[in-house]
Order: sequence, then C-alpha cells, then structure tokens
Amino acid sequence: KQEVTQIPAALSVPEGENLVLNCSFTDSAIYNLQWFRQDPGKGLTSLLLIQSSQREQTSGRLNASLDKSSGRSTLYIAASQPGDSATYLCAGTPSGGSYIPTFGRGTSLIVHP
Amino acid sequence: KAGVTQTPRYLIKTRGQQVTLSCSPISGHRSVSWYQQTPGQGLQFLFEYFSETQRNKGNFPGRFSGRQFSNSRSEMNVSTLELGDSALYLCASSFGVREELFFGEGSRLTVL
Repeated sequence: KQEVTQIPAALSVPEGENLVLNCSFTDSAIYNLQWFRQDPGKGLTSLLLIQSSQREQTSGRLNASLDKSSGRSTLYIAASQPGDSATYLCAGTPSGGSYIPTFGRGTSLIVHP
Repeated sequence: KAGVTQTPRYLIKTRGQQVTLSCSPISGHRSVSWYQQTPGQGLQFLFEYFSETQRNKGNFPGRFSGRQFSNSRSEMNVSTLELGDSALYLCASSFGVREELFFGEGSRLTVL
C-alpha cells in the first residue's frame, strides 16, 4: 500500500527565502505526482502535475521535481512571499491496479514579512 | 471555464440526521471523487464515479453513499450522522483516469 510522507509538517520562514518542501512515497510504481495548495477552510488548488516520464515541472516561482528511484518529490518555492502561506500537499497516483491517488498530510507554511 | 462547484458550503446537523452534499464537476470531466478531510486523519478517499458507475470505494461504513448523474453531477449522502462525521467534504473532478485532479471549495459539515 502506498504511503506518502511530507516533511517538515510545519515551516516558518522570513519573506524572500527560497525553500524546499519534501514529499516521499514508498511505492515507486507511480504514474504521476501532483502538488496542491490549500488555504485554511478551503479546497485544494492544483499547482503542478509531474508525469512519471518527466523529471520536473515549472510554473512561475514554483518548481517541482520527481525522482521515482528514490521515492521523492520536491517543491521548490523561489523568493517566498506572505501570500505563499498555506498548506502544501502532494499526492501520488499509482500506475497499476487502483488509480486512486494517495495524499500526504501536508506541510503548513508560514511566510512572515 | 467554471471550476468544481460544491453545495452547500456550510451546514450544521444533529446526530442521527442525514445529509446530502452536491458536486458539479468541471464541464467535460467525467470522473468525480469524494474525500473526507479531518485534522486527525488528513484526506481520506470516500468513492469515485465515472459515467454514473462507482468504480472505487474507500474504507468507510455503508452510511456513506453516493451517486453520479448522466450530466456527471454527483451527490453523496451520509445517513445516521455521528459526531465523528464532522469534517470538510471535498469533491474532485478529472477528465479521465489518472488525469489532473481539480477540487471544489468543499462542504463543511458540523454534527452536534
């Protein structure tokens, strides 16, 4: 059974810092890996989707990488801003059998001015 | 292009009652899945529908049920509510299997 772990659970940084959020998964038979952002009491907003054949995806100040062999994905946020404060979740979709994604518990990020 | 729409956004029920939540997916999306999110358990998969057929079901009791209509809109129902059912219920839609997921704003259920 796939398990997805996100470390750290919480992170507080000053504005302007570059930061890395980590996502680890136990089963490398992964079809894609999706990163989401969730603001308090709201739904999840899709940030980036990386297919298993890709190594990374970029959108603005965000860059996500995927290394299936090591079971890791990272989300890099450049020049963080207070508006980046939210919980970031990753979800891995298996390539075989059930195609239901497994979600991590998320990293709660606070960017203070 | 409209996103995933969930109604109602907030509701309060008492134990023993039942509740129905609605989800309208993005136009053209045929897969709709439901999740329960609580602080203690995180995001837990409830069920997934594609073309009116339930294809996957999570590990929840039979009090949790759902259906999908021919226009891809979906509803989920929880009967005989318990205090532990208090949660944010999230609906997600995708074009097909293993495609990018798009979530609605959720329905916040409080059971008293």
